[in-house]
Formats: sequence, C-alpha cells, structure tokens
Amino acid sequence: LAKTTQPISMDSYEGQEVNITCSHNNIATNDYITWYQQFPSQGPRFIIQGYKTKVTNEVASLFIPADRKSSTLSLPRVSLSDTAVYYCLVGDLSGGYQKVTFGTGTKLQVIP
Amino acid sequence: DTEVTQTPKHLVMGMTNKKSLKCEQHMGHRAMYWYKQKAKKPPELMFVYSYEKLSINESVPSRFSPECPNSSLLNLHLHALQPEDSALYLCASSPLAGGTETQYFGPGTRLLVL
Repeated sequence: LAKTTQPISMDSYEGQEVNITCSHNNIATNDYITWYQQFPSQGPRFIIQGYKTKVTNEVASLFIPADRKSSTLSLPRVSLSDTAVYYCLVGDLSGGYQKVTFGTGTKLQVIP
Repeated sequence: DTEVTQTPKHLVMGMTNKKSLKCEQHMGHRAMYWYKQKAKKPPELMFVYSYEKLSINESVPSRFSPECPNSSLLNLHLHALQPEDSALYLCASSPLAGGTETQYFGPGTRLLVL
C-alpha cells in the first residue's frame, strides 16, 4: 500500500482558503486518493475522492497532478467548524476487498 | 438512512470481564469494518467483513473476536483485555468490499480497560 505524508498541523484564519497537500510517491496505477475529516470523539467522515486531475464537490476540491505523486485538498473559505483532523488515504479499491491505511493526518486549526 | 450506529458509547471493563461492542447499519452495505484509534493517532484497521465473511484480520490478538451475524450487524467480542487496549473503537461500512465506494463510520465506542 502506498504510504502518505502530510503536514502534522496547519493554522488558518476564518474565511481563508486552505490547501492541505499529501505526498504519495509510490502510488500504484489502481490507487485512488481519498480524504476524510475527523472531529474529536467522532468517526471520520468522507470528504472527497479522486483519481486524476481535479474533482470538486459541495465542500472541497481535490487537485491531482499528472504524475499522481501528490494531491492537494482545497477547502474554500474555512470557518471555525472546519477545525478538525484531515486524513489523506491511498488504497487499491479495485481488488477483492477495500483496504486502505490512514496516514498521520493534518490537524487544521481555524482561528477567528 | 445513511447512519452507522454503535453501542455502547462508552464502556469501562476490568481485565477479566467479557463484553461486546455492537455496530449496525441499514444502508444495505455488504462490507463492514472494525478500527481501533488511540488518542491523537489515526484509525488502525482491525477486521474487514465482506458478505458476512471475515476477509481481513490485521493480526489482531485473539482477545478480540469479531462476529457478523447478518449483513446489517457487526459485533466485537472482548475478553481478557489489557489496559493498553483502551481506545476508541470505530465501526465502518461500505456498499461493497472493493470498487470506489466510501466508508461510512459510526461515532465509535470509547473503551477503558482497568
């Protein structure tokens, strides 16, 4: 399984755009990139998933360059409620089972 | 209904006790998972069930015994645990084991072993 590397923590002011980058140098051809958000004492919550180029949904965008060795989660205009840990996961989702490994995560602190 | 429920929310047990954690989903998902999460650490996969059959056991000690009675229920039976087993135990489900489906997590059971 491809290993992921993320910054341990980030601070941002309310209303700013936040970009969290994840490095996955040995990503395999079949691997997808998935991001989860976790609040304290809660289970992780799916944010976004992609394979290449750009994916956008109602809460975030995911940018993946052509070599797919990294990806960037972009959160537009963050609010205090976006303070959480964000996990980047890379895993083979085309096999007989879905097995992914959570990385260390990035703790985002949004400041008023 | 897009919810995974877990009971109990909190559990305190002694090292000689036997207890069970319960997880339930009614989304028709055929894959279910148990994760263990220590404080300030990422979730660690313990078990994966696919179509009610155990497909992955991440070398978890035998004092943890999973059970999948049907496609909606997942149990984790606990016996003779150690204090270091204290953690947040998370259950998740996904439509299939494989493909590009999202994992839906429950709120977890906070376990304290004395």
